[in-house]
Amino acid sequence: QVQLVQSGAEVKKPGASVKVSCKASGYTFTSYDINWVRQATGQGLEWMGWMNPNSGNTGYAQKFQGRVTMTRNTSISTAYMELSSLRSEDTAVYYCARAEDGDDAFDIWGQGTMVTVSS
Amino acid sequence: QSVLTQPPSASGTPGQRVTISCSGSSSNIGSNTVNWYQQLPGTAPKLLIYSNNQRPSGVPDRFSGSKSGTSASLAISGLQSEDEADYYCAAWDDSLNGHVVFGGGTKLTVL
Repeated sequence: QVQLVQSGAEVKKPGASVKVSCKASGYTFTSYDINWVRQATGQGLEWMGWMNPNSGNTGYAQKFQGRVTMTRNTSISTAYMELSSLRSEDTAVYYCARAEDGDDAFDIWGQGTMVTVSS
Repeated sequence: QSVLTQPPSASGTPGQRVTISCSGSSSNIGSNTVNWYQQLPGTAPKLLIYSNNQRPSGVPDRFSGSKSGTSASLAISGLQSEDEADYYCAAWDDSLNGHVVFGGGTKLTVL
């Protein structure tokens, strides 16, 4: 079945970086964009950016420009989101989500990865 | 402060019809389509409505969406206990080089 499986929970210190993976299966990885959305505990959804796995093209929310990098390894159908200079406010569940090329409807979501930033 | 405005809560009894509103501006809802997501407690969001009023395969026709101007609505008819969840509207926003914006979410309680 079509699914996105994310890497496990992470605990990081302020100032560090975190890299979350998102492995796709059940469909052609390069045919759909991968978006990243985060959600702090008890809060709403916040879009971080998108990546086209075929071209590698990316688009980031202005809030995360300079701190986020989205990449992929097409040989293993896996997308990555790396966030640097972590601060406590980055503590959240991070989701990857699939969308058709150029579309903004996220039809398949990963299970989420909890990232905790604490000294 | 979310770019799209939703009521924080809504409620209804089983069998009732409830609606959730989503208000935006000319740069988002006014010029792009609206999607709705349902998030059950402790789970990832699920696409409920796309392109204003389209249902993905498997979503019951009790759920419907509409859009007018810079506002959109999600309607749930024949309310069921399993509909108790958080609901989020979302749209592309043409400002700031383009980005996706979400509403703050509406917690639906089935009384």
